[in-house]
Amino acid sequence: DVKVTQSSRYLVKRTGEKVFLECVQDMDHENMFWYRQDPGLGLRLIYFSYDVKMKEKGDIPEGYSVSREKKERFSLILESASTNQTSMYLCASSLVLPSGANVLTFGAGSRLTVL
Amino acid sequence: SQELEQSPQSLIVQEGKNLTINCTSSKTLYGLYWYKQKYGEGLIFLMMLQKGGEEKSHEKITAKLDEKKQQSSLHITASQPSHAGIYLCGAESLAILTGTASKLTFGTGTRLQVTL
Repeated sequence: DVKVTQSSRYLVKRTGEKVFLECVQDMDHENMFWYRQDPGLGLRLIYFSYDVKMKEKGDIPEGYSVSREKKERFSLILESASTNQTSMYLCASSLVLPSGANVLTFGAGSRLTVL
Repeated sequence: SQELEQSPQSLIVQEGKNLTINCTSSKTLYGLYWYKQKYGEGLIFLMMLQKGGEEKSHEKITAKLDEKKQQSSLHITASQPSHAGIYLCGAESLAILTGTASKLTFGTGTRLQVTL
């Protein structure tokens, strides 16, 4: 089975701290994604990457950056955490199938609280 | 950008009852995905629909994509406590025929509770 592992399930940080959220997938998928999930707003795409060192902005990239130095690892960085970044963060990876289907496999999520 | 609206936002049904969740898009759907999320966890892929009129089933869950490809429905027959969770629809932002990665936009989700 494809496995997407997020390094931390729960984090508590203070305003202004630099935060790293790590995500690793073990099935050689080309594409990786970071979403945040908030009540009433659903999942919103922050950034995605379709290859090593490549990144594309999603719908809400402000306040975030990403790094993809190796194919299996996609990191989300909050340069200076703020309270409005308290959220559940979900990482996913995918492979585009010959049919064109782009099925995402998600990690278990990282719940970040910024005080 | 593509917007997906799900209805209802939440649903409480008695075990054994049938239910339907709808997903309506502001644009033509090129690929429509249904996922389920157990509370506090990641999303699990259920099924994907590509063609207008297409219908797929997995165990007691059936999903359809209407002919005009702007709406999908998810139907659960004889619901069980194991069906409880959040159901999300997701859609491609680019034509899947390109075979390239595209971002997947999600609806806000439908929270399902199944009572005994």
